[in-house]
Amino acid sequence: QKEVEQNSGPLSVPEGAIASLNCTYSDRGSQSFFWYRQYSGKSPELIMFIYSNGDKEDGRFTAQLNKASQYVSLLIRDSQPSDSATYLCAVNGEYGNKLVFGAGTILRVKS
Amino acid sequence: DAGITQSPRHKVTETGTPVTLRCHQTENHRYMYWYRQDPGHGLRLIHYSYGVKDTDKGEVSDGYSVSRSKTEDFLLTLESATSSQTSVYFCAISGGDGETQYFGPGTRLLVL
Repeated sequence: QKEVEQNSGPLSVPEGAIASLNCTYSDRGSQSFFWYRQYSGKSPELIMFIYSNGDKEDGRFTAQLNKASQYVSLLIRDSQPSDSATYLCAVNGEYGNKLVFGAGTILRVKS
Repeated sequence: DAGITQSPRHKVTETGTPVTLRCHQTENHRYMYWYRQDPGHGLRLIHYSYGVKDTDKGEVSDGYSVSRSKTEDFLLTLESATSSQTSVYFCAISGGDGETQYFGPGTRLLVL
């Protein structure tokens, strides 16, 4: 059974700070990694995807992947109150197109 | 937003009643998925489809069936609803292996 683990939080950061969200996964064959943001009562929306080891930046967001250590992280720079949401990490396997989701980390950005 | 709609958006039903949820997409994507989301469990895959009439089970498929007779529609049926199936149900679509999944707005189902 593939597993994706996230700290449930809540992670509280002050406005303007860097928020660091972490995720570990169990399947060494995993090839694709995704971060979704979900506001309360809404559906998940994609923030970032990453396939290769290293960092990938998009605006205030940076995804980091380390396949050897089996973790993926999301950094949010200059955190804003509007970033307050649940962040879901998702991983798919070497074959097929099924995603396994972590339970999510609640982020609270305080102004 | 990806062209995905779900109907109904909210439903209250009684134990033992059959329920069908519909997912409709306008993106002509090959893959369609049904997930349920419950507190503490995150998103769990119920069933998915990789083409018309091609479906497979996910992690929590017991008590659910699906059908896909057209590319754009993916139906989820609770054959005899139970209180444990009270949840929020999300449909998702994807263009291909390893590609991003995009989610519909969700259906809140309450089984009394």
